[in-house]
Amino acid sequence: KAGVTQTPRYLIKTRGQQVTLSCSPISGHRSVSWYQQTPGQGLQFLFEYFSETQRNKGNFPGRFSGRQFSNSRSEMNVSTLELGDSALYLCASSSQLGSYEQYFGPGTRLTVT
Amino acid sequence: LAKTTQPISMDSYEGQEVNITCSHNNIATNDYITWYQQFPSQGPRFIIQGYKTKVTNEVASLFIPADRKSSTLSLPRVSLSDTAVYYCLVGPPGNTGKLIFGQGTTLQVKP
Repeated sequence: KAGVTQTPRYLIKTRGQQVTLSCSPISGHRSVSWYQQTPGQGLQFLFEYFSETQRNKGNFPGRFSGRQFSNSRSEMNVSTLELGDSALYLCASSSQLGSYEQYFGPGTRLTVT
Repeated sequence: LAKTTQPISMDSYEGQEVNITCSHNNIATNDYITWYQQFPSQGPRFIIQGYKTKVTNEVASLFIPADRKSSTLSLPRVSLSDTAVYYCLVGPPGNTGKLIFGQGTTLQVKP
């Protein structure tokens, strides 16, 4: 079975721009979660989608949003980028909503200049 | 949410068994214990999950005493490729928002 894929793998954006990241879960997995990882804050939960609906949300500002499509693929959007948004953004999929057994993708390395 | 405490770093040598202990004194009745492994610039990888006693898979074993206030991840015969950060997570299934990855334990395997 193919693993979780994320595109693009690397991205450089300018402060104030917006960015969209994409995630394709493992086939059959309906839950997709997004995380932000930085050296200072570690790995932090952004949100989880299941059946095209956001089910859980972390403590991030409204500039961070996401959506999930009927084929379970998910996108994450960050608007009005700030320097502090530079991070590794990870997507994880699981077969059940709220499962702690998650399968992570390789991540998208976002650099904001 | 159960707070977890694990050593910040550990060193080992190839071929040895490594045991990483995680303390979670205020674990709740419906909490499960989950361990992840992460290599630099990669996403975490699910290793093992358990509720009580012992769980074993092809990668590791997880030992949980009767009081569940701690757990030990056991990696048999480590190799250089096991050098990674290991995270212990404790929480109830059903809410991924409660998945808290702390500092983790950086395991350095030496030749």
